Amino acid sequence: NAGVTQTPKFQVLKTGQSMTLQCAQDMNHEYMSWYRQDPGMGLRLIHYSVGAGITDQGEVPNGYNVSRSTTEDFPLRLLSAAPSQTSVYFCASSYQQGKRFGEAFFGQGTRLTVV
Amino acid sequence: EDQVTQSPEALRLQEGESSSLNCSYTVSGLRGLFWYRQDPGKGPEFLFTLYSAGEEKEKERLKATLTKKESFLHITAPKPEDSATYLCAVQRAGTASKLTFGTGTRLQVTL
Repeated sequence: NAGVTQTPKFQVLKTGQSMTLQCAQDMNHEYMSWYRQDPGMGLRLIHYSVGAGITDQGEVPNGYNVSRSTTEDFPLRLLSAAPSQTSVYFCASSYQQGKRFGEAFFGQGTRLTVV
Repeated sequence: EDQVTQSPEALRLQEGESSSLNCSYTVSGLRGLFWYRQDPGKGPEFLFTLYSAGEEKEKERLKATLTKKESFLHITAPKPEDSATYLCAVQRAGTASKLTFGTGTRLQVTL
């Protein structure tokens, strides 16, 4: 059982380039999210999805796009990379148990540097 | 706006020296409070979920408690392998699976 898998683990981009960070989960979880982690800022929500075909913006969505065509996959697209997007990106999946939400499972992260 | 403040930012303990980490929160309608452990270069790893004031959960040397304004993570007789950053997050009612995180407490346990 792989859990949440993110690729790539490391990436260096030039300003203006675009790329897609991949995220896949094999736990059949309804909910998936993307966070970025910066020193002194904690984890901040970029975009999230409550099911296939349904996405919404989080706290810091500008410069990023997402889509969710399947339950398993939730890619994050950087449209035109900027140095301010240098960060560590985490994908997470979670589930609902009755009225309560279970814990989020996180991937190992993608360390992105934009030069 | 939901807010989570963790203290201290960093904590250095000797092996066996018990202590507590604090997580103060402001959220309109708490659905759940989560504790995670994060090792360098890794993703957060789930520890506990607390849903209502007065609830307590334990796992090995760790015990998490919850009041209406804060949560504590008590570490009893820590070992060097407990060294990590401990993250607290809250989930507000009506927000699906969205989490608001604190900035974490970096714990170092020395021999």
